[in-house]
Amino acid sequence: AQSVTQPDIHITVSEGASLELRCNYSYGATPYLFWYVQSPGQGLQLLLKYFSGDTLVQGIKGFEAEFKRSQSSFNLRKPSVHWSDAAEYFCAVGLTGGGNKLTFGTGTQLKVEL
Amino acid sequence: DGGITQSPKYLFRKEGQNVTLSCEQNLNHDAMYWYRQDPGQGLRLIYYSQIVNDFQKGDIAEGYSVSREKKESFPLTVTSAQKNPTAFYLCASSIDRDTNEAFFGQGTRLTVV
Repeated sequence: AQSVTQPDIHITVSEGASLELRCNYSYGATPYLFWYVQSPGQGLQLLLKYFSGDTLVQGIKGFEAEFKRSQSSFNLRKPSVHWSDAAEYFCAVGLTGGGNKLTFGTGTQLKVEL
Repeated sequence: DGGITQSPKYLFRKEGQNVTLSCEQNLNHDAMYWYRQDPGQGLRLIYYSQIVNDFQKGDIAEGYSVSREKKESFPLTVTSAQKNPTAFYLCASSIDRDTNEAFFGQGTRLTVV
């Protein structure tokens, strides 16, 4: 079964600093990969997704992620963090070739210091 | 506007009572899902449905039941058999089974006292 690891439970960055959130997955083939963001008490919003092709994907709100097959990673990055980016971020993996169950990581809580 | 509507946002129930959480979507999506979210555990899949009148158990289905009588609706019942029902419940839908991209509702926070 596939699994997703987000090794950082909490991350604090200063506003304007760069950000990288880590995500590693375990799966026998190349999965579909997603990053979602959740504000407190709200649902999840899709930031970006990787299905195939270019391994650097651009998303909303200035986020990007890079798929590295050799490292089984899909890290999320942003060059300059804004205070409104404070939220919880989830990496998720979906099966290829049918099946529609997403497996989520445990999330990374981002705090932004002004 | 198209989207997924979960109701109510907050729900309180006494221990031993069954409770049903509503999830409606007007995105014309085939697949719908229920996830449970607990602090520090991410999201765990309870049930999912790929088409009307069909659904499958997810990873933590015990103590829950669902129905899919209409494409737009996928209600979740939390039964008295669920040992620890207090949690945040999220409903999602996706356009098909292959891409797995899911769109989420705003969630229902269930508190059992």
